[in-house]
Amino acid sequence: KAGVTQTPRYLIKTRGQQVTLSCSPISGHRSVSWYQQTPGQGLQFLFEYFSETQRNKGNFPGRFSGRQFSNSRSEMNVSTLELGDSALYLCASSLSGFDTQYFGPGTRLTVL
Amino acid sequence: DQQVKQNSPSLSVQEGRISILNCDYTNSMFDYFLWYKKYPAEGPTFLISISSIKDKNEDGRFTVFLNKSAKHLSLHIVPSQPGDSAVYFCAASAVRGGADGLTFGKGTHLIIQP
Repeated sequence: KAGVTQTPRYLIKTRGQQVTLSCSPISGHRSVSWYQQTPGQGLQFLFEYFSETQRNKGNFPGRFSGRQFSNSRSEMNVSTLELGDSALYLCASSLSGFDTQYFGPGTRLTVL
Repeated sequence: DQQVKQNSPSLSVQEGRISILNCDYTNSMFDYFLWYKKYPAEGPTFLISISSIKDKNEDGRFTVFLNKSAKHLSLHIVPSQPGDSAVYFCAASAVRGGADGLTFGKGTHLIIQP
């Protein structure tokens, strides 16, 4: 069974731009969660989607948004990029959200 | 306010010996705990989990112990192998699976020496 895939793996943007990251969950998994990893803050929860609905949200500004499609694939969007948004963005999928989360390799975003 | 703390940023253990990684938490609502292992340039890999109704869970060389009264959990790896060298993250959630969002510690870098 293929694992969680994330595209692109690396991305360089400049301040003020916007970016969209993509995540394809493990086949059959309907819950997708997004996390941000930075050296200072560690791994922090952004939001979780199930059946195209955002069920839970972490403590991030509204510039961070996401969506989930009917095939469970998910996208995360960050608008008006700031230098502090430079991070590894990780996506995790699980069957229902109430079982083990499996992570993708991440997208490394650098904001210049 | 860090709700999940891994106080040892790094730990060095000889191959074949026991590795013990520790984790403390402050939120009494946490009900489900997990350990993930991470290699550079890869996402975290699930290792083992434990529900608060248990105090021990074992899977091969990995055992997790939970002390609810002390709000402390530990991961034991016996025997330690070179491939175990990685960063280990402790995570916690108020619900099984973490649909409400896993809260992670900052990680412990485990180095297994030959």
